[in-house]
Amino acid sequence: AQSVTQPDIHITVSEGASLELRCNYSYGATPYLFWYVQSPGQGLQLLLKYFSGDTLVQGIKGFEAEFKRSQSSFNLRKPSVHWSDAAEYFCAVGAPPHTDKLIFGTGTRLQVFP
Amino acid sequence: DGGITQSPKYLFRKEGQNVTLSCEQNLNHDAMYWYRQDPGQGLRLIYYSQIVNDFQKGDIAEGYSVSREKKESFPLTVTSAQKNPTAFYLCASSIDDRSYEQYFGPGTRLTVT
Repeated sequence: AQSVTQPDIHITVSEGASLELRCNYSYGATPYLFWYVQSPGQGLQLLLKYFSGDTLVQGIKGFEAEFKRSQSSFNLRKPSVHWSDAAEYFCAVGAPPHTDKLIFGTGTRLQVFP
Repeated sequence: DGGITQSPKYLFRKEGQNVTLSCEQNLNHDAMYWYRQDPGQGLRLIYYSQIVNDFQKGDIAEGYSVSREKKESFPLTVTSAQKNPTAFYLCASSIDDRSYEQYFGPGTRLTVT
């Protein structure tokens, strides 16, 4: 069955430091890949997506992610974190034709220290 | 502004009462979804609808019901049969059932005591 793993439940970084959040998926073909961000008590906002083509995708708020087929990964990166980036981040996978549902990871909570 | 609205933001109910959560979208999307979010468990799909007057059960449909009488609206009823209804509920939509790109509302936090 298709699945998404976010191995880090909680990450803490200092403001200005670089960030990488990990996401691994299990799927036989190339999936549709998404990263969402959720501030406390809010809905999810789409940061970026990958469907095909260039494996490095740029998103909003200065985030980027790289699709690596050989590692079944879609890690989210930011070169310099701001205090306002503190939130929960969800990786999600669409896996046609096996399912028409979006499969979410369990999330990584990012804490940013000044 | 196009988007998804959920109301109310906070909802309190007594155990044994049914409660309906509202979800409205003006994005002209065909597909709509309801998720439940609990701490440490990510998002779990309750129900989804790919078109008006049609809906399917998700992974945790027991104790919930939905309707889709209008394209813009997808209300969720949490019935008294739901054993653990206290949670954060998120509504989402996508342009159609072939698009996995979902847009989310702000959520409703339901507390049942």
